[in-house]
Amino acid sequence: DTEVTQTPKHLVMGMTNKKSLKCEQHMGHRAMYWYKQKAKKPPELMFVYSYEKLSINESVPSRFSPECPNSSLLNLHLHALQPEDSALYLCASSQDQLGRTMNTEAFFGQGTRLTVV
Amino acid sequence: AQSVTQPDIHITVSEGASLELRCNYSYGATPYLFWYVQSPGQGLQLLLKYFSGDTLVQGIKGFEAEFKRSQSSFNLRKPSVHWSDAAEYFCALKRNTGFQKLVFGTGTRLLVSP
Repeated sequence: DTEVTQTPKHLVMGMTNKKSLKCEQHMGHRAMYWYKQKAKKPPELMFVYSYEKLSINESVPSRFSPECPNSSLLNLHLHALQPEDSALYLCASSQDQLGRTMNTEAFFGQGTRLTVV
Repeated sequence: AQSVTQPDIHITVSEGASLELRCNYSYGATPYLFWYVQSPGQGLQLLLKYFSGDTLVQGIKGFEAEFKRSQSSFNLRKPSVHWSDAAEYFCALKRNTGFQKLVFGTGTRLLVSP
């Protein structure tokens, strides 16, 4: 199983709502990532979890709150978002943090298309 | 700092014709290199990767890429394009030491004409 599963596939939320994005992998990977991708742009790294601890926060606004309940799950809690936060949110996982071990490529989920209205 | 350049924003290829997508990188040593493909509204799928060894690497879906250290390039090729290959293609790099995130190029959109 080389799959990263993200739910929901689509989400529309108002600026005062609270919602969560979910990501799951069963490959035994110990590093998990959230990326944000705007239209016609490459993915931009938001957060990295390594062994269930937050190791990288790329200066992401606090209205985005990640959580890693266990080694297979990664959540992204959303609150008071702005319309400019509308994007495709991608989850990825790798055997370890990229670069700490050789031959560790990232596997990506299908993404959640988020629209903030 | 490392960077990845994909000089072609769009490429149109006739179905059945050959394809080459360009990727140039900037890094002081030999990086780890990847090609990912993304269909509209979908996630990224890894096509192939280069870490070391043979500079010609084979990937899925009939793709291959050649690492050329002298040109700092990692171009993606396919001998005969199918309509289903129409997608966005991203070249990416990571350092070969220490922790470092994936650095993506800006992507090349491939259009396949009948």
